[in-house]
Amino acid sequence: RKEVEQDPGPFNVPEGATVAFNCTYSNSASQSFFWYRQDCRKEPKLLMSVYSSGNEDGRFTAQLNRASQYISLLIRDSKLSDSATYLCVVPLPFKAAGNKLTFGGGTRVLVKP
Amino acid sequence: IAGITQAPTSQILAAGRRMTLRCTQDMRHNAMYWYRQDLGLGLRLIHYSNTAGTTGKGEVPDGYSVSRANTDDFPLTLASAVPSQTSVYFCASSVTGSEVSVGEQFFGPGTRLTVL
Repeated sequence: RKEVEQDPGPFNVPEGATVAFNCTYSNSASQSFFWYRQDCRKEPKLLMSVYSSGNEDGRFTAQLNRASQYISLLIRDSKLSDSATYLCVVPLPFKAAGNKLTFGGGTRVLVKP
Repeated sequence: IAGITQAPTSQILAAGRRMTLRCTQDMRHNAMYWYRQDLGLGLRLIHYSNTAGTTGKGEVPDGYSVSRANTDDFPLTLASAVPSQTSVYFCASSVTGSEVSVGEQFFGPGTRLTVL
């Protein structure tokens, strides 16, 4: 099993609709989780962090399910500008691995008019 | 400079040549990282540095070397480039000290390298 797994998509979403997708992780000791957004041929940029059960920022909601070891990202009222690849990122346990992150392969979202 | 910069933006290189990718940040972050991103494989860590004067190996270090003479600069060198090193290379930085700060990394715009 990969350390961090994501459905690659693409998720084709009508403008204004809601889309949600998950990321599963294998290391039960991980304590914090992150969603990054990457536009085509651009660098990844931090979107949201998740430390406890969840986090909400405007139209974006991230939730954590520790029992099943997955995090989710939900986008409400999708905009054309939300079209991007969303990367799930899980730091390795800090004391064991220091400053290392594990990146999922990304979920591609295409918002269409 | 605002944030983190990389140079060159893109490069075509003959196999066997030596190449150094440059990375500079002005955020005074202690930690810096080099990743490569390949289609279907995602982002993979090549080397990292927790603070000036120290470096460490990531997931795919073979064929690459780094140095960290000061806080701001973290160059990546390919001693003798091979076609399998064709990739997009991203430099990143973060504050160190906790799992939380490590997860909040700032990326440069990337260098597209093609080795023929």
